[in-house]
Amino acid sequence: DIVMTQSPDSLAVSLGERATINCKSSQSVLYSSNNKNYLAWYQQKPGQPPKLLIYWASTRESGVPDRFSGSGSGTDFTLTISSLQAEDVAVYYCQQSYDTLYTFGQGTKLKIK
Amino acid sequence: EVQLVESGGGLVQPGGSLRLSCAASGFIFSSYSMNWVRQAPGKGLEWVSFVSSSGAIIYYADSVKGRFTISRDNVKDSLYLQMNSLRAEDTAVYYCARGTLASAFDIWGQGTMVTVSS
Repeated sequence: DIVMTQSPDSLAVSLGERATINCKSSQSVLYSSNNKNYLAWYQQKPGQPPKLLIYWASTRESGVPDRFSGSGSGTDFTLTISSLQAEDVAVYYCQQSYDTLYTFGQGTKLKIK
Repeated sequence: EVQLVESGGGLVQPGGSLRLSCAASGFIFSSYSMNWVRQAPGKGLEWVSFVSSSGAIIYYADSVKGRFTISRDNVKDSLYLQMNSLRAEDTAVYYCARGTLASAFDIWGQGTMVTVSS
């Protein structure tokens, strides 16, 4: 199975500041046939189901604010929130779908400093 | 409105069985792959199972293989998860989630709670 490891486990950022969450996969999730990374990012707020933010590592889902961006390729990926808003407090997960056994990272809890 | 609504959760004894359902509406169900994802209390997300749009391709996480069976009814716009030989570690909120071309999960239900305890 592909193991997804996020860092840090918890992060506190001031309002208006940049937040950066990292995700590393135990093997590449880049499909050479279409040059796409099968890596997605989700946001989960307490008591709610997860919400898809980013897919193919850097494509923003429709309706997601442009302060959210994804980058990276192969095994190393980053979710960046350019200017933290109060409503961004949540747990963030990365997920790979390169392998038929999909796996999530352990989650990163984002708080306001 | 695009919507997924799970049902069928509850309290079951270890070794017991439960069948979860997920009713889809607002989109052409037969055109999409579907998944079950679970979340144990206070824990992270764990993908459980995948079924292709036609039902012909199915995958399971190792933790449930041989005990859980995913299925779908494209006439009834419904997804199912038959769970047998349940264990305490299967206790979780179970979400159904729609798959995309990128194999991400773009629509999620609110979840149904399964508790395995004597």
